[in-house]
Amino acid sequence: AQSVTQLDSQVPVFEEAPVELRCNYSSSVSVYLFWYVQYPNQGLQLLLKYLSGSTLVKGINGFEAEFNKSQTSFHLRKPSVHISDTAEYFCAVFGTGFQKLVFGTGTRLLVSP
Amino acid sequence: NAGVTQTPKFQVLKTGQSMTLQCAQDMNHNSMYWYRQDPGMGLRLIYYSASEGTTDKGEVPNGYNVSRLNKREFSLRLESAAPSQTSVYFCASPRTGMKETQYFGPGTRLLVL
Repeated sequence: AQSVTQLDSQVPVFEEAPVELRCNYSSSVSVYLFWYVQYPNQGLQLLLKYLSGSTLVKGINGFEAEFNKSQTSFHLRKPSVHISDTAEYFCAVFGTGFQKLVFGTGTRLLVSP
Repeated sequence: NAGVTQTPKFQVLKTGQSMTLQCAQDMNHNSMYWYRQDPGMGLRLIYYSASEGTTDKGEVPNGYNVSRLNKREFSLRLESAAPSQTSVYFCASPRTGMKETQYFGPGTRLLVL
């Protein structure tokens, strides 16, 4: 079985400040990890993914995430956010041998001027 | 190349009415998925189809049926809509051989009164 926990339902931050969105997972098998972004009234867009190799992965729009196997975490970071980053962010895990993604409950990032 | 398309974009139903949500992908992918998104619950898998002619239940299949009409199309049917099925429905399709990287449609917003 797999599960994903996003510890913060909402993260308010000022423009140009750094941000970290937290994600922890549990799985009995090896996993692939993802962050998706959903802008208001739109579908989900892949932000970045970890499949193997370097534990630090870079995605679109200046976001990056680090896979930490010992802590079973995959936190998303950005050093300086923009107003346009206001969106909902979903962490997801795909267990090897399974057929489906399991999503977290989402974190709403609210960027204020 | 439109990717994943969904119709309709919005729908209002009365309790007990039926309707079919349509999904099509033009990427020649084998697998297709239906999710529902509810506030505070992330995305939950309703049904998926690993290939043309096959369908399997996901996490929340009750009250839904699906049809994989051909490789391009995967429809979701509500036979007797209930207010609990008010949600945003997303269709997704991963690249063949890369089940973990899913491409999402824009969603269908359904309100059941």
